[in-house]
Formats: sequence, C-alpha cells, structure tokens
Amino acid sequence: KQEVTQIPAALSVPEGENLVLNCSFTDSAIYNLQWFRQDPGKGLTSLLLIQSSQREQTSGRLNASLDKSSGRSTLYIAASQPGDSATYLCAVRGAYSGAGSYQLTFGKGTKLSVIP
Amino acid sequence: EAGVAQSPRYKIIEKRQSVAFWCNPISGHATLYWYQQILGQGPKLLIQFQNNGVVDDSQLPKDRFSAERLKGVDSTLKIQPAKLEDSAVYLCASSLGGRNTEAFFGQGTRLTVV
Repeated sequence: KQEVTQIPAALSVPEGENLVLNCSFTDSAIYNLQWFRQDPGKGLTSLLLIQSSQREQTSGRLNASLDKSSGRSTLYIAASQPGDSATYLCAVRGAYSGAGSYQLTFGKGTKLSVIP
Repeated sequence: EAGVAQSPRYKIIEKRQSVAFWCNPISGHATLYWYQQILGQGPKLLIQFQNNGVVDDSQLPKDRFSAERLKGVDSTLKIQPAKLEDSAVYLCASSLGGRNTEAFFGQGTRLTVV
C-alpha cells in the first residue's frame, strides 16, 4: 500500500525567504507526482506535475524535483510572499487497484505561513 | 476554460439523513474521481469513473455511499444514512484519462453531520 509523508507539517517563514517542502513515498512504482496548493475552505489547485521519467519541473518561483528511486520529491519556493500562505499537498499516481486505476495518493500536507 | 464545478458548497444535515453531491467535470475529461478529505488529512479516493464505468471503488463504504456518472459526464455522490464520521470535504476531480494526465479539482462540498 502506497504511503505518502510530508515534512514538516507546518512551517512559518519571513517574507522573502527561499524554502523547501519535502515529500516521501514508500512505493517507487509511480506514474507521476503532483503538487497542489489548498487555501482554507477551498479545493485543490494543481501547481506542478512531474512524470516518472522527469527529474524536475519549474513554474515561476516554484521548482519541484523527483527522485523516484529513493521515493522523494521536494518543492522549492523562491522569494516567498504572504500570498504563498496555504497548505501544500503532494500526491503520487500509481495503479494500486488494478489496471486503469490511476488514483492519486496524498500526503497530509504542509501548512505554510509567510510572515510579512 | 471552465473548471470542475461542484454543488452545493456547504451542507449541514442530521445523522441518519441522506445527502447528495453533484459534480460537472471539465469538458472532454473521461476520468472522474470523488475524494473525501477529513479535517487535517489528505484527500482519500472514494471512487474513480472512466467515462460512465466504475474503475475503482475499493475504498467506497458501499453500505451507505453510492455514486453514478450519467452519460459519462456529470456525477452524483450520495450518502444514506449519514454518520457523524462522514463530516468532511468531498472533492470531485477530473482528468483527460490515462496514467500520465493531470488531475484538476473542484472547490469541494463541505459536509457537516450533526
């Protein structure tokens, strides 16, 4: 059974700092990994999708890396802003319930607070 | 491009009552998912549809939960009867289909069972 762990559970940083969020998963047989952002009371917004054959993806101030063999991914946020405050969720996609079952397995998330 | 639409946004019911949630996926997306997110946890898959067929419902509590996808487009998730532990956010997501595609989520429905 796939398990996804995110460390730390919460993080508070001053505005302008660079930061790294960590995600680890137990089963390396994944198709891809997706990072999401969730604001309070809202749904999930997709930030980055990394295919299993890729090492990293970048979008603006965000950079996500994937080391599939060691079961790890990191999300790097450069020059953090108060608007980045949210919960960040990592999810891996695999076929855990048979062919065609491309479900996402989520971690519990990291709650980020960026202090002005 | 319109996103995944869900309704209602909020619902409060008493235990043992029934409730239904509706989801309209992104146009052209063949795969539709329902997830349950309990406060402080990551979302957990309840059911996955490919067009109008069920691909995975292994984690759906079938004694009280049911779901259908009409004509391979809209979907409804029903709980009958509701229990206190069903209080959660119910998220609908869709993707084009296949293992390499990106999933897009709706705003969710927050259910409170009292």
